[in-house]
Amino acid sequence: AQSVTQLGSHVSVSEGALVLLRCNYSSSVPPYLFWYVQYPNKGLQLLLKYTSAATLVKGINGFEAEFKKSETSFHLTKPSAHMSDAAEYFCAVNIRDDKIIFGKGTRLHILP
Amino acid sequence: AAGVIQSPRHLIKEKRETATLKCYPIPRHDTVYWYQQGPGQDPQFLISFYEKMQSDKGSIPDRFSAQQFSDYHSELNMSSLELGDSALYFCASSDSRSRETQYFGPGTRLLVL
Repeated sequence: AQSVTQLGSHVSVSEGALVLLRCNYSSSVPPYLFWYVQYPNKGLQLLLKYTSAATLVKGINGFEAEFKKSETSFHLTKPSAHMSDAAEYFCAVNIRDDKIIFGKGTRLHILP
Repeated sequence: AAGVIQSPRHLIKEKRETATLKCYPIPRHDTVYWYQQGPGQDPQFLISFYEKMQSDKGSIPDRFSAQQFSDYHSELNMSSLELGDSALYFCASSDSRSRETQYFGPGTRLLVL
């Protein structure tokens, strides 16, 4: 069965510091991987996606993620955190071009 | 750019009532998906449609039904509402030429009292 594991339900970083949100996946076939962001009381916004092209994927708002097959990981990073980055981040996998399976989410807190 | 439209954005119902949620996909998208996100939970897949036919089914209760119409919009019908149905319901759409990427609407927040 396919699954996504996000390490850390809450992550706190200082403004200007590196953001690292961890995601590991389990899949029997090459997956499509995504990061979505959800601001409070808002919908899900696509941050970036990996669809078997370049392993380093750049997204919106300065975020990027690297697909590492050997580690079955797809961690999300941003060099310098901004207060506006505070939100819930979901890693997700799509195996058969159909339903998306989400991780449990990581709430990112930005400390002033 | 046009996005997925969902209506209503907020809905309050009593137990045992019915509710209908509507979803209008991005223009030229032919596939629609429904997800349910409970409080503090990750979104869970309910059901999907492609070209007006059900394509996949997840953890959707028998009390719920959905369909996709000829203009590709979709409706999720929920009957005999229970307190546990209170959640954020997302609709997403994709283009069959690039079905791996789903674009989500803003969601309908349903509160069952």
